Amino acid sequence: GAGVSQTPSNKVTEKGKYVELRCDPISGHTALYWYRQSLGQGPEFLIYFQGTGAADDSGLPNDRFFAVRPEGSVSTLKIQRTERGDSAMYLCASSFGGADTQYFGPGTRLTVL
Amino acid sequence: SQQGEEDPQALSIQEGENATMNCSYKTSINNLQWYRQNSGRGLVHLILIRSNEREKHSGRLRVTLDTSKKSSSLLITASRAADTASYFCATDPGANSKLTFGKGITLSVRP
Repeated sequence: GAGVSQTPSNKVTEKGKYVELRCDPISGHTALYWYRQSLGQGPEFLIYFQGTGAADDSGLPNDRFFAVRPEGSVSTLKIQRTERGDSAMYLCASSFGGADTQYFGPGTRLTVL
Repeated sequence: SQQGEEDPQALSIQEGENATMNCSYKTSINNLQWYRQNSGRGLVHLILIRSNEREKHSGRLRVTLDTSKKSSSLLITASRAADTASYFCATDPGANSKLTFGKGITLSVRP
C-alpha cells in the first residue's frame, strides 16, 4: 500500500509569512508524529497524535507552531510568522500505535528567506 | 535534545567490506530502531530491537543491544555502493513513543 506522503516537498517563504505543511499517514495508522531535522543533525520530535488528539506536544518550540489532525488521519503543521531559524526538513511519521515501528514520509524542506 | 550518540561520525569503506556502527544512549528504553537516510530525504526504517532482545538479523543487517551498557551496534555485511547513506539510531522510551535520534553516521561505500 501507499506509504506516508507529505506535501509540498519543498516550500520557500519569506520571513513573517504563514505556512502549512501536510501529512497523509499510512491508512489505518492511529499514531502520527512530526519531527524537524536541521542540516547535519538527527530529527527532533515536535508533536505526537493518537487519533485526533495531541498526546504530546512537548517538542513544539514555541506558540508559533501548531498542528491539527481533525479526523484522525491527515495532519497539518502550521507555522505562523516564520523566522529564518525555522528553515529545516519537516518529517512526518505514522505507526499502528505506541511502541511500534514508525514509518516516515519523504519530508517537506522549508526555507525561510 | 538528542539522546543517542552514534560512533563513528563518518565511515568510509570498500565495497564488500563490513560496516559496524555504534550507538549509545542515556535513559531506559522500550525499543531501539535504526534508520537510513539518503540525500537528506525521508528516513527508511531498517530494524527495531526491543529491550528484552539481545540480537536481531534482517538480511545483511545484524543489530545487537546491550541494555546494561546502554549501547547498540548495527553491522552491515558485504557492503554495497548503494548502502552509502546516513544512518541513525533512535530510542523509544515506550511511554508515548516519541523517538529520540542521534546525530547520525555518514557511511560511504567505495565501489
